[in-house]
Amino acid sequence: GAVVSQHPSRVICKSGTSVKIECRSLDFQATTMFWYRQFPKQSLMLMATSNEGSKATYEQGVEKDKFLINHASLTLSTLTVTSAHPEDSSFYICSARDSGGLFNEQFFGPGTRLTVL
Amino acid sequence: QKEVEQDPGPLSVPEGAIVSLNCTYSNSAFQYFMWYRQYSRKGPELLMYTYSSGNKEDGRFTAQVDKSSKYISLFIRDSQPSDSATYLCAMKGTGRRALTFGSGTRLQVQP
Repeated sequence: GAVVSQHPSRVICKSGTSVKIECRSLDFQATTMFWYRQFPKQSLMLMATSNEGSKATYEQGVEKDKFLINHASLTLSTLTVTSAHPEDSSFYICSARDSGGLFNEQFFGPGTRLTVL
Repeated sequence: QKEVEQDPGPLSVPEGAIVSLNCTYSNSAFQYFMWYRQYSRKGPELLMYTYSSGNKEDGRFTAQVDKSSKYISLFIRDSQPSDSATYLCAMKGTGRRALTFGSGTRLQVQP
């Protein structure tokens, strides 16, 4: 299957700081990437859909000014958690949709564990 | 009511058993059905992908979709301890790009 990378894999930061997470599709182009959040023992909750060259589409209840998304190229999307607080601590996972795939399959990155002190 | 229902488990089976994992859904517009496997603290890995109704087999894994009952299944034959993980079903309609996930079933295969 196609490979999606995320960086960093783990980050610990102080309350009030901003954290940037990168998501890259390594061997395919992705016009669309997705950002999910997952709490322990719970399923993935879609936060936003990232579209290359245009604004992201946020799910209801997700603050777009807090979770800034940039999809600058066909292989890179970034999520910036601004002014992070302890309640933002979670596992953040991106996925990339293979635009050239037969069924436009989604492939997931390994996730980023964010801990806000 | 959630759009996709999945028993969270945990489901514990002995090594070599046949495992049956299931999801039900309410949205008749769903056309694409997927199963993902997620190991602890890792991202989900795509296992099976099915369009519309029918069966699909890949090695020890078989995916079934029954759209008339809005019910999908994943069967794992000759289960191994390495199959121990959380299995997530996911689905989407033709027009929507994002997936709707089940809550995941935690599977434990005992050696």
